[in-house]
Amino acid sequence: DVQLVESGGGLVQPGGSLRLSCAASGFTFYNYWMHWVRQVPGKGLVWVSRVNSDGRSTSYADFVRGRFTISRDNSKNTIYLQMNSLGVEDTAVYYCARDRAGRGGSDYWGQGTLVTVSS
Amino acid sequence: YVLTQPPSVSVAPGRTARMTCGGNNIGSKSVHWYQQRPGQAPVLVISYDDDRPSGIPERFSGSNSGDTASLTISRVEVGDEADYYCQVWDTDTDHPLFGGGTKLTVL
Repeated sequence: DVQLVESGGGLVQPGGSLRLSCAASGFTFYNYWMHWVRQVPGKGLVWVSRVNSDGRSTSYADFVRGRFTISRDNSKNTIYLQMNSLGVEDTAVYYCARDRAGRGGSDYWGQGTLVTVSS
Repeated sequence: YVLTQPPSVSVAPGRTARMTCGGNNIGSKSVHWYQQRPGQAPVLVISYDDDRPSGIPERFSGSNSGDTASLTISRVEVGDEADYYCQVWDTDTDHPLFGGGTKLTVL
């Protein structure tokens, strides 16, 4: 079965950093693009970042560009989101998701990890 | 590019629910739909306008034409109560774009 398991969330002070991980299993990981999507509790889904299958191409939403870095390690079946200069507006549940077919829909999602930015 | 979804739709059990996703010439794009029950991760219920992933009941169907895409749920059940999001790939920015979501209430 396909599984995506996020980790690394928690409480961090404004201006701080955090690194999220998403461990994948049950599929040929290196064949798929992967995304990070976030959701403020009670609000809608917002795309954050994506990495292509070999990790050489990345893309970011404007509101995180320059602060967040997505990467992947295909030897570990894991993607990462390094988040720097965090602000209270970054407080959200962060989901990783598998892109079904490159620029397609996301057919599998992790359970999410909560990031809380607060002093 | 902007996707517009009505904030809420209400339907009685056993009836048909139709949720819309508006966008400029959205019919030229592929639309994906997600169901998100409270406290859970999103689930893909329709991809590429009208394709139903494995395990999704036949009661779920999709269409897309002109400026409106639709998700239709036939014979609605209490368990269908959830938030539903549409998503397209925004070719201008080359990344996914989600609609604001519709809360489906089963009366």
